[in-house]
Amino acid sequence: NAGVTQTPKFQVLKTGQSMTLQCAQDMNHEYMSWYRQDPGMGLRLIHYSVGAGITDQGEVPNGYNVSRSTTEDFPLRLLSAAPSQTSVYFCASSYARGRGEKLFFGSGTQLSVL
Amino acid sequence: SQKIEQNSEALNIQEGKTATLTCNYTNYSPAYLQWYRQDPGRGPVFLLLIRENEKEKRKERLKVTFDTTLKQSLFHITASQPADSATYLCALEIGGYQKVTFGTGTKLQVIP
Repeated sequence: NAGVTQTPKFQVLKTGQSMTLQCAQDMNHEYMSWYRQDPGMGLRLIHYSVGAGITDQGEVPNGYNVSRSTTEDFPLRLLSAAPSQTSVYFCASSYARGRGEKLFFGSGTQLSVL
Repeated sequence: SQKIEQNSEALNIQEGKTATLTCNYTNYSPAYLQWYRQDPGRGPVFLLLIRENEKEKRKERLKVTFDTTLKQSLFHITASQPADSATYLCALEIGGYQKVTFGTGTKLQVIP
């Protein structure tokens, strides 16, 4: 079982460049989300989606865009990368939300913005 | 917004002892509290869920308690092993909301 697949694993960008982090899940999960993880700050929610066509902002949404055109995919777009976006990014999914369903995480994307 | 504190950044214990990790939260009382394990370079992996109306949950060598009066959860690993060395994260979900908030984690090192 593939679970949650994130690509790429590593990425280096220059300030001002744009890119898309890919996330796909094969578990037919309705809920998908993006977190960033920084030393001493834990996992912080960027954006989330409760189903195809529905997205909402998390704790730190500025500088990021998302869309959910299919149940399986939830890409995260950096429009104009900044050094403050250097971080490890995790995609997570679950059957639904609101009743404590466990999150399944991808293996992460390590992003450096120079 | 919900604030979550995990007792320490790092915890070292001797093999065979019980490790106890703390998760304290402020503001709203969560309906659900989860614990995850994260190994270096990997994504978190779910371990246990405890609901607000439950005092204690067990799974093999793991035990979680939930005290809504103290706004605290304790996570215990009994008979700890070097393979238990990892970072452990607590996560809270308020009922009816769609966001899961994570603590900063505690790095556990079990010394042989």
